Amino acid sequence: DIQMTQSPSSLSASIGDRVTITCRASRSINNNLNWYQQKPGKPPKLLIYAASSLQSGVPSRFSGSESETDFTLTISSLQPEDFATYYCQETYRTPHTFGQGTKLEIK
Amino acid sequence: QVLLVESGGGLVKPGGSLRLSCAASGFTFSDYYMTWIRQAPGKGLEWVSYISSSTGYTNYADSVRGRFTISRDDAKNSLYLQMNSLRAEDTAVYYCARSRYSESHSDYWGQGTLVTVSS
Repeated sequence: DIQMTQSPSSLSASIGDRVTITCRASRSINNNLNWYQQKPGKPPKLLIYAASSLQSGVPSRFSGSESETDFTLTISSLQPEDFATYYCQETYRTPHTFGQGTKLEIK
Repeated sequence: QVLLVESGGGLVKPGGSLRLSCAASGFTFSDYYMTWIRQAPGKGLEWVSYISSSTGYTNYADSVRGRFTISRDDAKNSLYLQMNSLRAEDTAVYYCARSRYSESHSDYWGQGTLVTVSS
């Protein structure tokens, strides 16, 4: 199975901050990497697919990038509604492993 | 609009069975792969199983293989998960989600249904 190592597990930041979250795959997954946002009691919401494509309706302050097996989610300027838990997921090989999650909290 | 609605969750004893359903609307169900993903209380997301469009090819996580069966009824726009030999570690919210093909992202998710396995 492909392992997805997501970091950090938690992060405190302030409104307006630039934030990056990273996922490292244990092997090449091409660009089959997606990012989700989840708020308490809600299902995950797709933000970024294929490593860097912005899902329709998602604000442009969210972006994704890749460098070989390292993938990054960047929020350019944190807004109050961005405080949530973020997950990466590889969809290159089953099982489609998720990262452990990053809880983004208000500083 | 795209809507996925799960049902069938509840409290079941270890070793018991449960059948989850996911009713789909607002899109051509038969064109999409469908996936079950679960989340134990306070934990992260775990991919459980998917079923392909057209051929109905299935795949499972090792943790559920041999105990869970995914199926679909395109005429009823419905997805199912038959869960047998349930264990305490199967306790989770179960989400259904759609994707265009096996390597693609899940763009719509249901609200989830809670399965609790406890004596």
